[in-house]
Amino acid sequence: ELKVEQNPLFLSMQEGKNYTIYCNYSTTSDRLYWYRQDPGKSLESLFVLLSNGAVKQEGRLMASLDTKARLSTLHITAAVHDLSATYFCAVAGVEGSQGNLIFGKGTKLSVKP
Amino acid sequence: GAGVSQTPSNKVTEKGKYVELRCDPISGHTALYWYRQSLGQGPEFLIYFQGTGAADDSGLPNDRFFAVRPEGSVSTLKIQRTERGDSAVYLCASSLGGRDRYEQYFGPGTRLTVT
Repeated sequence: ELKVEQNPLFLSMQEGKNYTIYCNYSTTSDRLYWYRQDPGKSLESLFVLLSNGAVKQEGRLMASLDTKARLSTLHITAAVHDLSATYFCAVAGVEGSQGNLIFGKGTKLSVKP
Repeated sequence: GAGVSQTPSNKVTEKGKYVELRCDPISGHTALYWYRQSLGQGPEFLIYFQGTGAADDSGLPNDRFFAVRPEGSVSTLKIQRTERGDSAVYLCASSLGGRDRYEQYFGPGTRLTVT
């Protein structure tokens, strides 16, 4: 059974600081996703990572994937208040399929002045 | 363009009643997914359609839950004899389908409350 673990689950940051969210998954998968969710809202796609060593960056967020370690990281650079949200990683449930995603529990990020 | 839409946005029902939740995917998306999100948790997969057929329904919790997509577009999630534990936000997502068209776009969700 594929399991996805994120840590930390809660993160309080000061503006301007850097931090990393970690996502570990238990079995082989060929796709890893990062989503953002604001309170009471739906999920917004941030990144899709497809191969070992993949790195994608958008603004102050950078995601990477190490399929051998079954680990993805979401790095936040010089945090700003607008980044406050819950961040989820998700892994495709069955290798090679386009089917269901298995989500982590999410990391609730709060950026304070 | 129009995103995934879901109706109703909120539904309050009494225990034991039947409910239907509707999802309109992005036009042209052949794959459609239903997820359920409980408070403070990540979304949990329920069922996935490719076209009209359910390609994977392994996430449906029991036989009270059923979903259809008769014309390969709109989908309805049906819950019979609702229980308080069914209270959650039900999310629908769609994607273009096919091996390299994997990005799932989520709708705003339907918040179901069973009293």
